[in-house]
Amino acid sequence: GDSVTQMEGPVTLSEEAFLTINCTYTATGYPSLFWYVQYPGEGLQLLLKATKADDKGSNKGFEATYRKETTSFHLEKGSVQVSDSAVYFCALSDGSYIPTFGRGTSLIVHP
Amino acid sequence: GAVVSQHPSWVICKSGTSVKIECRSLDFQATTMFWYRQFPKQSLMLMATSNEGSKATYEQGVEKDKFLINHASLTLSTLTVTSAHPEDSSFYICSAPQTGGSDQPQHFGDGTRLSIL
Repeated sequence: GDSVTQMEGPVTLSEEAFLTINCTYTATGYPSLFWYVQYPGEGLQLLLKATKADDKGSNKGFEATYRKETTSFHLEKGSVQVSDSAVYFCALSDGSYIPTFGRGTSLIVHP
Repeated sequence: GAVVSQHPSWVICKSGTSVKIECRSLDFQATTMFWYRQFPKQSLMLMATSNEGSKATYEQGVEKDKFLINHASLTLSTLTVTSAHPEDSSFYICSAPQTGGSDQPQHFGDGTRLSIL
């Protein structure tokens, strides 16, 4: 079956540092890929998505590129802020409406 | 944009009480909604798929008599935790897929923190 693997957290960074959160997936077809963000005490929000190979999703300074050859969708941001502290989930949708989520990666950004 | 509203956001009740959680799609129709339980180490566990006008599909290991799901309209799904006990304390989240195909994202409610004393 489908699966999503994320790097374990927490990831702890200083403000303005570069962020990478790794995500790899396995799927039988050509899934759509998503990053969601969850702020403390809230539900998940869509951060960005990509629907086909080599697509780059971007939002709020975050980027992720759909790499079919490495089955990856790593999340990056050039300069993190304290307000980016949250849990980030990588997810895929393979043609059914049931999404597959990674375990989530907590990001803590210190001033 | 599309919004999913989940209510209540926080419930504290005594053991043995039944608790109902509502999930509404506010500006779109949702024939399918998902119910998740989130554990303290962040992972989301899919509990069931709620289907409008038909029975919910439960994931393996989820007690259907314990977690009753009703999806009576295209905009409302409810999860009732029956005879709740302290081990049912958790963060419950619903979601609905945006219409337009499986390449569309999920829209999530803000979650319900359930605490059973």
